[in-house]
Amino acid sequence: NAGVMQNPRHLVRRRGQEARLRCSPVKGHSHVYWYRQLPEEGLKFMVYLQKENIIDESGMPKERFSAEFPKEGPSILRIQQVVRGDSAAYFCASSPGTGYNGELFFGEGSRLTVL
Amino acid sequence: QKEVEQNSGPLSVPEGAIASLNCTYSDRGSQSFFWYRQYSGKSPELIMSIYSNGDKEDGRFTAQLNKASQYVSLLIRDSQPSDSATYLCAVNKGGSEKLVFGKGTKLTVNP
Repeated sequence: NAGVMQNPRHLVRRRGQEARLRCSPVKGHSHVYWYRQLPEEGLKFMVYLQKENIIDESGMPKERFSAEFPKEGPSILRIQQVVRGDSAAYFCASSPGTGYNGELFFGEGSRLTVL
Repeated sequence: QKEVEQNSGPLSVPEGAIASLNCTYSDRGSQSFFWYRQYSGKSPELIMSIYSNGDKEDGRFTAQLNKASQYVSLLIRDSQPSDSATYLCAVNKGGSEKLVFGKGTKLTVNP
């Protein structure tokens, strides 16, 4: 859905560097979801955030990964000290929260390549 | 048992045929069910949602849900080459905000 904006669309990092992926939800949406898709795999849930709160981070690796959704500005998925296994497409989706029926509309994704 | 399982395919059908895609899920508390289409290198696109037992039709697409059997399917009638994509089944677990996805079934429609 064009309403969810992600950037950068493509990011190349060397092992050990940091990657920051940004997601601006649909206007008026207060809930953001991050998913990761490895090559030839389905989408894996990582984290669900509301403004200034992490609601469910059960899919986040325990180390090197963090996410935030500040009161102002986009949601950020941060990967520290990247390794080759982090190479994947990272998709963001948003929902309005109230009246949410489970439908998620995804942004175009950020494709991370770790050299 | 995986939470959401799909036949990985690939599934190949001739143009004009019916394509049948299947999905099973493990959590009986699941309440919402979705089919996404994903073209290579693109983001998933929601094409169908279904919440109650039975069939739901939208154009050439029909979603079928059987909660007793924990089974969801997607039928594509009059398949077109433009339907060639990976189809992802997704389930919203009861009491949870997140979607759980299957690995997807790759469909090829041959002209």
